[in-house]
Amino acid sequence: QKEVEQNSGPLSVPEGAIASLNCTYSDRGSQSFFWYRQYSGKSPELIMFIYSNGDKEDGRFTAQLNKASQYVSLLIRDSQPSDSATYLCAAFSGEIKAAGNKLTFGGGTRVLVKP
Amino acid sequence: EPEVTQTPSHQVTQMGQEVILRCVPISNHLYFYWYRQILGQKVEFLVSFYNNEISEKSEIFDDQFSVERPDGSNFTLKIRSTKLEDSAMYFCASSGWETQYFGPGTRLLVL
Repeated sequence: QKEVEQNSGPLSVPEGAIASLNCTYSDRGSQSFFWYRQYSGKSPELIMFIYSNGDKEDGRFTAQLNKASQYVSLLIRDSQPSDSATYLCAAFSGEIKAAGNKLTFGGGTRVLVKP
Repeated sequence: EPEVTQTPSHQVTQMGQEVILRCVPISNHLYFYWYRQILGQKVEFLVSFYNNEISEKSEIFDDQFSVERPDGSNFTLKIRSTKLEDSAMYFCASSGWETQYFGPGTRLLVL
């Protein structure tokens, strides 16, 4: 059974601080990893994806991937109250830059940014 | 910016009734997906569709479920005889390649 695990939280972060979210996965065949943000009652909204070991930065967000440890993380810098949401980690088990395969989602980490 | 759309936003039905959920994927995307999320649980994959056929389906996607692309723009999910446990948020997604973009979802309530 291919699993993606996340701490459910809530992760409480002061406004302006860095939020650090973690995700582990069981399937070594997973090639690409996606972070989605989901507000309550809404659909997942893509933040960024990563498929190479190391760091990838996009604005206030940095994704980190360590395939040897089967670990993905997301850092949110300068956290804002509008960042309060559930953050979903998802693994894609197809070939890198392939398509059509399913995403396997973790349960999400709820983040609360306090003003 | 192109986006995936879904109708209806909410659907209430009686157990045993058929429902059809509709999706319009992003226009130049070739891969289409249905996921569902039961309240408080993970987003779960149901089915993927490419070139007018199912690419992959999960154990959830049994004979009660079917998908269709009836024309060049719509992608539908049919549940033939709904059960109470089918109550969930159903998300359609599409991708041009590996990045999947989700629609706003249809909240299905089976009574």
